[in-house]
Amino acid sequence: GDSVTQMEGPVTLSEEAFLTINCTYTATGYPSLFWYVQYPGEGLQLLLKATKADDKGSNKGFEATYRKETTSFHLEKGSVQVSDSAVYFCALNYGNNRLAFGKGNQVVVIP
Amino acid sequence: GAVVSQHPSRVICKSGTSVKIECRSLDFQATTMFWYRQFPKQSLMLMATSNEGSKATYEQGVEKDKFLINHASLTLSTLTVTSAHPEDSSFYICSAQQGRAYSNQPQHFGDGTRLSIL
Repeated sequence: GDSVTQMEGPVTLSEEAFLTINCTYTATGYPSLFWYVQYPGEGLQLLLKATKADDKGSNKGFEATYRKETTSFHLEKGSVQVSDSAVYFCALNYGNNRLAFGKGNQVVVIP
Repeated sequence: GAVVSQHPSRVICKSGTSVKIECRSLDFQATTMFWYRQFPKQSLMLMATSNEGSKATYEQGVEKDKFLINHASLTLSTLTVTSAHPEDSSFYICSAQQGRAYSNQPQHFGDGTRLSIL
């Protein structure tokens, strides 16, 4: 079935560093792709999305491009802040708005 | 806007007890709600899609009689874990959206319920 794979392990980096979190997907067809963020003590929030190939989703300085050729949707931010510390989940819609999530990546930004 | 409230946030109970978790949309009408389950260090797994006024649609492998879902109003869905056992201990998360599932409206998530069965 449709699924999402995120890179293993937490990500620790210094403030103002460049962040990349890898996400690849397996799907029949061309599903919408999402990045969700979960800040400490809060529920998941939609960070950005892309609905078709070559679309770029962006929000709060984060970007991700829907790459059909590599079945990827990597999340990037050019200069992270301490406030970006959170868990990030990649997800896809496999029909009727049902979401398949990756395992999530804990991002810790050190001042 | 678009606030979803889950209650309780944490529950600890004895094996064999039935536990009810509520998911409420506070400022919008949620025609569709989704229930997810998350094991430690694992991804969220969709359990079922809850439709206001009709039966829930369960994902493959999810026991309908074990996880009872009721969505009797446009602002409330409940998940009841019947005769809970230690293996049912998990983090349960709901989300809600306006419109039917196929409308692909944005989902708004609750903060989750930590269920621990002793």
